[in-house]
Amino acid sequence: EIVMTQSPATLSMSPGERVTLSCRASQSVGNNLAWYQQKPGQAPRLLIKGASTRAAGISARLSGSGSGTEFTLTISSLQSEDFAVYYCQQYNNWPYTFGQGTKLEIK
Amino acid sequence: QVQLQESGPGLVKPSQTLSLTCTVSNAYVSSNDYYWSWIRQHPRKGLEWIGYVSYSGSTFYNPSLKSRVTISDGTSKNQFFLKMTSVTAADTAVYYCARSRSWSPFDPWGQGTLVIVSS
Repeated sequence: EIVMTQSPATLSMSPGERVTLSCRASQSVGNNLAWYQQKPGQAPRLLIKGASTRAAGISARLSGSGSGTEFTLTISSLQSEDFAVYYCQQYNNWPYTFGQGTKLEIK
Repeated sequence: QVQLQESGPGLVKPSQTLSLTCTVSNAYVSSNDYYWSWIRQHPRKGLEWIGYVSYSGSTFYNPSLKSRVTISDGTSKNQFFLKMTSVTAADTAVYYCARSRSWSPFDPWGQGTLVIVSS
């Protein structure tokens, strides 16, 4: 199976700052890469699909990039609602697999 | 708007069978090109895909769980099911159901249901 590795595990940031989260695949997944946000007690919420396409209703402050094995999620100006855990997921090959998550916390 | 809702016992004894139902609103499990998955999340841990039943009734499972898992759609047009045998404490997790299409991510998800394995 494809192993997804996210870095860092935790990021401490301040509101208003710009942040970039990284995700690496153990083999190429093309652009079949999604990002999700998860808040405590909630299901993951789809943010980005196709590595760079925002899902419906997702703020333009969020952007995804990358292809093959290296991907990033950038949030241009952190707001309070952005502090959460973020997961990347490849859907190029079954079994679809997730990264272990990056926790974005308030500094 | 498609919605999914998990249901089932919140407590299962070790060695017994975990059984969950996912009820789908505003869509049919047999809708062309859709895949209906179960995903779990251990406490304070990451996400693990368990398996899917497809629109045609075919199934595919995570190799790590394949020997203990059955996913089916039964005779219901808007439900699908998870059965996991011989559970242990390591199967304690929040279980989600979710929909995907070919070459697409999981969206939407159910709200999740916590299953605790304990005597």
